[in-house]
Amino acid sequence: DTEVTQTPKHLVMGMTNKKSLKCEQHMGHRAMYWYKQKAKKPPELMFVYSYEKLSINESVPSRFSPECPNSSLLNLHLHALQPEDSALYLCASSQEVGRNTEAFFGQGTRLTVV
Amino acid sequence: AQKITQTQPGMFVQEKEAVTLDCTYDTSDQSYGLFWYKQPSSGEMIFLIYQGSYDEQNATEGRYSLNFQKARKSANLVISASQLGDSAMYFCAMREHEGATNKLIFGTGTLLAVQP
Repeated sequence: DTEVTQTPKHLVMGMTNKKSLKCEQHMGHRAMYWYKQKAKKPPELMFVYSYEKLSINESVPSRFSPECPNSSLLNLHLHALQPEDSALYLCASSQEVGRNTEAFFGQGTRLTVV
Repeated sequence: AQKITQTQPGMFVQEKEAVTLDCTYDTSDQSYGLFWYKQPSSGEMIFLIYQGSYDEQNATEGRYSLNFQKARKSANLVISASQLGDSAMYFCAMREHEGATNKLIFGTGTLLAVQP
């Protein structure tokens, strides 16, 4: 199983809503990531979890709240988002040890904030 | 400072021909990894090929090969015998050693269009 599964695939939410993006992998990877990708731009790193602990927060606004309940799951809780937060949100995972390990990505969640 | 540079916003190639996508990088680290990913319009990022900074041979994976020139800090992707399904955005990425983190940084991408 070399899949990273993200749900939902599409999400439309209002600026006052609270929603969560979910990501799951069963490859035994101990590093998990959230990226944000705007149209025609490269993915931008938001958060990195290493062994279920937050190791990198790229100065992401607090309206984005990550959570890693266990080694297979990664959530991104959304609250009071702005229209400019509309983007493709990609989850990825990789083996923690060493730098010669590729990251496997999910298909992403296309988020639209109205 | 830009860490990964892809100078070709878009490329065209005829089906069955080879194409080279350029990537240059900037790092002061001696140990790093270079990656290429393909992103079709569906959005998924698909890993293609990896090159380690200490690898002496260029990486190859099927129709993909990486032309690694360490002194020039370049890691160009070569796709041989292009297929229509190769049409996609291609990202070069680098992972540096920064403590215990696994930060993967992407270039701006090259949009490849394969023409029949």
